[in-house]
Formats: sequence, C-alpha cells, structure tokens
Amino acid sequence: QITLTQQAESLWVSPGEKVSITCRASQSLLYTDGKHYLSWYQQRPGQTTKALIYHASIRTDGVPTRFIGSGSGTEFTLSIEDVQPEDIALYYCLQTLKKPNTFGAGTKLELK
Amino acid sequence: EVQLVESGGGLVQPGRSLKLSCLASGFTFSNYGMNWIRQAPGKGLEWVASISSSSSYIYYADTVKGRFTISRDNAKNTLYLQMTSLRSEDTALYYCARFEYYDGYYFDYWGQGVMVTVSS
Repeated sequence: QITLTQQAESLWVSPGEKVSITCRASQSLLYTDGKHYLSWYQQRPGQTTKALIYHASIRTDGVPTRFIGSGSGTEFTLSIEDVQPEDIALYYCLQTLKKPNTFGAGTKLELK
Repeated sequence: EVQLVESGGGLVQPGRSLKLSCLASGFTFSNYGMNWIRQAPGKGLEWVASISSSSSYIYYADTVKGRFTISRDNAKNTLYLQMTSLRSEDTALYYCARFEYYDGYYFDYWGQGVMVTVSS
C-alpha cells in the first residue's frame, strides 16, 4: 500500500505568518491522466472534516485563497499564507490513487 | 445542502456485532460512491471501506476485511456498515464521506461521525 508521511506532528505559528505542511508518498501519485491523486483535509473541533485541496493543487469551493496546495510526484505541500486563528486545526493528506486509500498521520497547527 | 448523518454507534462487547447507518440528503445519493473512515481516540484517520454508486465495486481495508460489510440502499438514501467480530481496536469515531468521482476523486463531504466503543 502507499504510505503517506507527514513528518511534522505539530507546527507552531503566529497569526499572519506563513506555514507549510508537507506530505511525502512512498510512490508517485501521478496517474496517466496527468493528475495527482492527493487531497488535503482540515479537522477542527466541533466541525465536520473539510476538504481543502484536491488533485494536489485545486482548492475546493469556498476555501480561502490563502490555502495553497503544491507539489508533484511524491512530495506535496499545503501552505497557509497569513494564518488566521480559525486555521488552527489538524491537517491530513490523503491519496486516492490506489486502494487502500491512505491518509498521512496528520499535522496539528498550533498557536505560538 | 449536502448532509450526512451517521447513527447506530454505541458500546458493544468484543466479539459482538453492530450496524452503522449514514443518512444522506441534499444530493442525488445514487450518483455517488460512498466511504466509511474511522478515527481512533487521539489518532489519525483510517479509511475503512468504499462502495460505488450502484454497489458494483466494494473495497475494504485489510484490518476489517472479512468482518465488516459495506452496503447501501439508494431508495432510502442510506449507507450502512455491518460490523461483526468486533475488537477493542475497532473503537473509533466512524465517519461516512461522499466520494467526488466526477471532478477530483476525493472525499468532498463528511458526516459528524458516530462513536463505536468495543469493551467488556
């Protein structure tokens, strides 16, 4: 199965700063259609899990432009520019290229 | 508005069975694949099972294969997860999630989750 590694368990950030969360896959997530099957999710207490990014870099409807997905092959990054207090949450990457679909272990964004 | 509401969780003894339901609304349920994902207390997300829109394709995580059965009733807009031979390691919050197949191949909507606790 494909393993996704989110090295940072936690990242500390101040409001207004930029932060990057990385996700490394054990094999390429690029399919023959030229798309990467990697998505990002946000978990906040009391709220449903929210999809932020799909195909590595496409924001879902309504996601603020400060959330930026990038990367290719096996290395992916979710960057949050000008972090807001409401961005304090858990973030997960997910691959849907192959079954079993697998998640990264998650990165917790915390306030300094 | 898309809504997914899970139910059927609770406390169950090891070795027993439990059936979870996920009632969908706000979209044409029969057009979408669906998934179950779980999260053990204090742990990360684990994909459990998926089912295609017409139930033609079904997949399971190795950790539940042979014990869990995913199914759906498109007439009732409901997704199910029949869990048997439950173990303590199945203790988790279970989410249902819609699979956006047409544009993105990701889980675009999630429910709030239902807690399953396996303990004697």
